[in-house]
Amino acid sequence: GAGVSQSPSNKVTEKGKDVELRCDPISGHTALYWYRQSLGQGLEFLIYFQGNSAPDKSGLPSDRFSAERTGGSVSTLTIQRTQQEDSAVYLCASNTPAGGSYNEQFFGPGTRLTVL
Amino acid sequence: AQSVTQLGSHVSVSEGALVLLRCNYSSSVPPYLFWYVQYPNQGLQLLLKYTSAATLVKGINGFEAEFKKSETSFHLTKPSAHMSDAAEYFCAVTPGYSSASKIIFGSGTRLSIRP
Repeated sequence: GAGVSQSPSNKVTEKGKDVELRCDPISGHTALYWYRQSLGQGLEFLIYFQGNSAPDKSGLPSDRFSAERTGGSVSTLTIQRTQQEDSAVYLCASNTPAGGSYNEQFFGPGTRLTVL
Repeated sequence: AQSVTQLGSHVSVSEGALVLLRCNYSSSVPPYLFWYVQYPNQGLQLLLKYTSAATLVKGINGFEAEFKKSETSFHLTKPSAHMSDAAEYFCAVTPGYSSASKIIFGSGTRLSIRP
């Protein structure tokens, strides 16, 4: 597709359940980023991938959060044993870091996660 | 460490009036600075970016921002507000030396336009 896509667009789950959020970056983009947007915390960085490796995962809030990327393309963010404070919009972005890109990141529409 | 501070969580202006959204940054290295806009129930869209080529940056939809190193500011302006400008605006920073790194966002400013 032309832009970053994320699925599902909305996810409602019960406390304690595991969830998986998917991100399809723009074709050819080597870097992929996950952010979280919540009322109390604003926009927070979670993790980023260069290819299939994650040089910076400093924003993951706890060991219940994990992410992987396969084939240098699709990424999955997994939240285990969800808690109500995990409720937020999870945003994915991608880019191709190279001379002249100036680190502009292209964002997907987000997945709205609600934990009951 | 880098950070951005947006002054005013909510700004309301009349249609046709000047829009001024304030952003101050802190960075130990020359920064790249961005303004993103988020319309209701949509993702983030880049309005404009500063990458050291020019201090006055023009973006989409008539917005512009001026990088002032002496004031560590990157305020966003638009001469005449339109109803369609109602949205949330985020100032953001990233280290200029790194081609792939996280973006640090400000807390956002919600812009409302009065008819």
